[in-house]
Amino acid sequence: SAVISQKPSRDICQRGTSLTIQCQVDSQVTMMFWYRQQPGQSLTLIATANQGSEATYESGFVIDKFPISRPNLTFSTLTVSNMSPEDSSIYLCSVHPTGGQTGELFFGEGSRLTVL
Amino acid sequence: KQEVTQIPAALSVPEGENLVLNCSFTDSAIYNLQWFRQDPGKGLTSLLLIQSSQREQTSGRLNASLDKSSGRSTLYIAASQPGDSATYLCAVMGSGGSNYKLTFGKGTLLTVNP
Repeated sequence: SAVISQKPSRDICQRGTSLTIQCQVDSQVTMMFWYRQQPGQSLTLIATANQGSEATYESGFVIDKFPISRPNLTFSTLTVSNMSPEDSSIYLCSVHPTGGQTGELFFGEGSRLTVL
Repeated sequence: KQEVTQIPAALSVPEGENLVLNCSFTDSAIYNLQWFRQDPGKGLTSLLLIQSSQREQTSGRLNASLDKSSGRSTLYIAASQPGDSATYLCAVMGSGGSNYKLTFGKGTLLTVNP
């Protein structure tokens, strides 16, 4: 398993501003992912954070809106840029432990973002 | 494109009841299926993982089954307790497991009344 810490746990932001969410893992992991959960909806994968290279984005998500960094094997950030009320969501970091054979993913506590 | 459906969307039961949550998926070519628990405004806690070759997994009062050919999974909770109140999410990982991407259902909101 893996222990995942996310910061901030929640925030209230003004329209047009940007916010960076941090994800710290207690062990080195190969795969890190960022998901979004809009109110009343299921989780949707935003992107895969690749160590040492650009993130791989899913359809409907772009780097200009959701820039991602992955400077090492234990840390990643997701920035939500030029926010609008539609960006109000829970953003979750997920990891697949290095060497894991089952494909089991673990999730952080999430960052609850409200945009006014 | 994989789609995951969970039924019912909400369920309210008295304490002590046994209950079943249902999950169905449209593409049977999966690598695994995971059940998660989510408390209000919080992250996800992994409950059970079933590999595509397995039929069921058990952890304490929880039992999850998988029928890959029919695209169905159930989560059975025995002797429910108020502390079981949460949203339960089902998620499937595509076959091969090489990209580790999960497709989620919308969840079942469970309320266990004392």
